[in-house]
Amino acid sequence: NFMLTQPHSVSESPGKTVTISCTGSSGSITSNYVQWYQHRPGSAPTTVIYEDSQRPSGVPDRFSGSIDSTSNSASLTISGLKTEDEADYYCQSYDNSNVVFGGGTKVTVL
Amino acid sequence: EVQLVESGGDLVKPGGSLRLSCAASGFTFSNAWMSWVRQAPGKGLEWVGRIKSKIDGGTTDYAAPVKGRFTISRGDSENTLYLQMNSLKTEDTALYYCSTDSGLLGFDYWGQGTLVTVSS
Repeated sequence: NFMLTQPHSVSESPGKTVTISCTGSSGSITSNYVQWYQHRPGSAPTTVIYEDSQRPSGVPDRFSGSIDSTSNSASLTISGLKTEDEADYYCQSYDNSNVVFGGGTKVTVL
Repeated sequence: EVQLVESGGDLVKPGGSLRLSCAASGFTFSNAWMSWVRQAPGKGLEWVGRIKSKIDGGTTDYAAPVKGRFTISRGDSENTLYLQMNSLKTEDTALYYCSTDSGLLGFDYWGQGTLVTVSS
């Protein structure tokens, strides 16, 4: 079964940049699009990146997504960190038609 | 404005049953694929299953842990999504979200979730 692996947590100071990786266990991560969701405690998840690198309207351009086929991984980069970015972030893709989520990464803004 | 409002969460004993509902508004529900996603306490997001629109066949897909125990259905006339959960296990304890499902492009809108606790 296809799995997505994320680091458990990352932390950085306000104004800095963090990058969260999402590595596919097998096959090619380029076979299906990758989405990224922001999930704050007590709130519903929201999409920050879809189709590997597209930002929904309303998501600041501090958020960017990319794919690296050589490492079979996707990445979410948050630049100019703000305290409001503190949340859990999940990557998501597909295994055939079934949905696969990464385990989530807790972003702490120091 | 798209709204998804889940209801029906409760405390239930292992082996019991429960039906969740998700009332949808602000979009053409009958044309939408819909999914259920859950989050167990202290754990990450886990997809439960989806139902396609009737025009796309109305078929369902389920994650392995719930296949054969959970059933997703839809009432297009009342704009409501359902999740029938049978033979509940303690590991089914979670906050259950409904979401719109873009096929292979992820989930656009989410509800606030309803809590299911399975405990004796």
